[in-house]
Amino acid sequence: NAGVMQNPRHLVRRRGQEARLRCSPMKGHSHVYWYRQLPEEGLKFMVYLQKENIIDESGMPKERFSAEFPKEGPSILRIQQVVRGDSAAYFCASSRTSGRGLQTQYFGPGTRLTVL
Amino acid sequence: TQLLEQSPQFLSIQEGENLTVYCNSSSVFSSLQWYRQEPGEGPVLLVTVVTGGEVKKLKRLTFQFGDARKDSSLHITAAQPGDTGLYLCAGGVGRGSTLGRLYFGRGTQLTVWP
Repeated sequence: NAGVMQNPRHLVRRRGQEARLRCSPMKGHSHVYWYRQLPEEGLKFMVYLQKENIIDESGMPKERFSAEFPKEGPSILRIQQVVRGDSAAYFCASSRTSGRGLQTQYFGPGTRLTVL
Repeated sequence: TQLLEQSPQFLSIQEGENLTVYCNSSSVFSSLQWYRQEPGEGPVLLVTVVTGGEVKKLKRLTFQFGDARKDSSLHITAAQPGDTGLYLCAGGVGRGSTLGRLYFGRGTQLTVWP
């Protein structure tokens, strides 16, 4: 059973360009979460999605960032007009259910975004 | 905001020693997970605990969830160089608007020398 897959593993963008990060959850998982890890900081929650629905986006910056999880295909985290401060490791996690006590989330290997 | 404080931040020990790392909060969590992260990789799940007072053992690793579900500890017996890594605890609230998110501590960086 394949784990959570993310691509690309490394992404380099110049300021002002767009970054698109992809995440395929584990088989049978319908809940996807995105986290960001800045150097010397812990993982910070960004957004929680189910198929075709954004459940909680309170951790995501209001501007330039968007996320989707379509009926078919991977979840996408999109960053428009990237700035140097967006440089970080972005992790996707998935879970089978988000009920009480069953929030075990399995993480992908991450996408390391570098903005020049 | 639910905050998880992990201690110590860094731990450097010799192979064969025992160690305990701590994860503390003033908030109550419905579940708590421990992960280990290697450089350049994503966190790998070690264990999930959901019941106050619960103790789980995974070979040389023992995890405990506090009775009040506000804190947890990870004890490693006879540490080996392969245990080297960043140990992260993460708590889930499990209700309301924050149903899905995990709150992470900053981690304990463990180095085990041969």
